[in-house]
Amino acid sequence: GAVVSQHPSWVICKSGTSVKIECRSLDFQATTMFWYRQFPKQSLMLMATSNEGSKATYEQGVEKDKFLINHASLTLSTLTVTSAHPEDSSFYICSAPGPPTPPYSNQPQHFGDGTRLSIL
Amino acid sequence: GEDVEQSLFLSVREGDSSVINCTYTDSSSTYLYWYKQEPGAGLQLLTYIFSNMDMKQDQRLTVLLNKKDKHLSLRIADTQTGDSAIYFCAESPENRDDKIIFGKGTRLHILP
Repeated sequence: GAVVSQHPSWVICKSGTSVKIECRSLDFQATTMFWYRQFPKQSLMLMATSNEGSKATYEQGVEKDKFLINHASLTLSTLTVTSAHPEDSSFYICSAPGPPTPPYSNQPQHFGDGTRLSIL
Repeated sequence: GEDVEQSLFLSVREGDSSVINCTYTDSSSTYLYWYKQEPGAGLQLLTYIFSNMDMKQDQRLTVLLNKKDKHLSLRIADTQTGDSAIYFCAESPENRDDKIIFGKGTRLHILP
């Protein structure tokens, strides 16, 4: 099945550091990928849609300059949390729509294992 | 509007069946999904159902869809300790896979 790899799985760093998280589709191509943020015991909050070859689309309330997204190839999207502060500590998850599985035409989202970001 | 509702907690004895319920609002949703999230991990796609189906069974999992009432359920037969996780119901409005609306998740706790 479709596999999405996300790295790193856990990051601890000092306040003010920029942190890059990678999301890769391993056995399929993805022109779009999605970045979510999840707070403890809460559902996923869509942050932005990463578009290969063009600018990302951010959800309302998400700071573009704080969360930089780059989708440089059909298999890689990166999220950079710039000048991270303790309030940015969270669980970040990426997803990509997998290929259709006939006879169905939909492309279910496949998720990475998430990155736990802890800012001291 | 688009909204997905599900209960937050469910406790079930090992070996019993678990039934997790979900209601959604967008009648245009063509596909409805169930995802499983284990502690500290990402979401795993469990199963999905096409809106013209009433039921879909996959081993221990049975999905029931009542399109008239916009009600979706996931039944896990012979619940095991490894089924302990958070289960998310999700819909893709207007058949757009790029916009999935998740419920808040149901935390399934297995009693010995």
